[in-house]
Amino acid sequence: GAGVSQSPSNKVTEKGKDVELRCDPISGHTALYWYRQSLGQGLEFLIYFQGNSAPDKSGLPSDRFSAERTGGSVSTLTIQRTQQEDSAVYLCASSLGGRGREQYFGPGTRLTVT
Amino acid sequence: AQRVTQPEKLLSVFKGAPVELKCNYSYSGSPELFWYVQYSRQRLQLLLRHISRESIKGFTADLNKGETSFHLKKPFAQEEDSAMYYCALGWGNYKLTFGKGTLLTVNP
Repeated sequence: GAGVSQSPSNKVTEKGKDVELRCDPISGHTALYWYRQSLGQGLEFLIYFQGNSAPDKSGLPSDRFSAERTGGSVSTLTIQRTQQEDSAVYLCASSLGGRGREQYFGPGTRLTVT
Repeated sequence: AQRVTQPEKLLSVFKGAPVELKCNYSYSGSPELFWYVQYSRQRLQLLLRHISRESIKGFTADLNKGETSFHLKKPFAQEEDSAMYYCALGWGNYKLTFGKGTLLTVNP
């Protein structure tokens, strides 16, 4: 694949359910990021992976949020017991790593919690 | 704390008019500044970065450390420039802090 891919593109879930969002970064990109994009709020950093480890989870809003990355590639963001305020577009980005490196974004997953 | 401020949520100009999207940052270290753009139904993508000092699609941005600004400018706006523009500050080893974005509309 040429770019970062994310699935699903849209997810509607009921309050209280768990959801998993997937990100496939560009091959060879060691750094992977998750952001949340809410209307009028810009992009909110959630978590950063370098390889399979996550040295920065400072943006995760609560312990209902978790993420993992396996094989230095695919990453999954899990939201447990979803709440209505979790509704947003979740963006994944990857880069070659290091400050100043361009981040390449996926198309996002639009999550709606009803 | 690191912060990026884009004071205009919405900016509307006519085709052919000059456009300036404002961005101010707060960072005590040596900043790296970027502009990202998101066209309708497309993914977020890098427009330009200050270290490159290049012009992309007619847009330029100059880092002014004295005023802590990185405003995006284009002398003659085109309808296809209509998009959401995000200013971003690179800091630490990997962090990117985004502003809240400015929605630019270029009217015919």
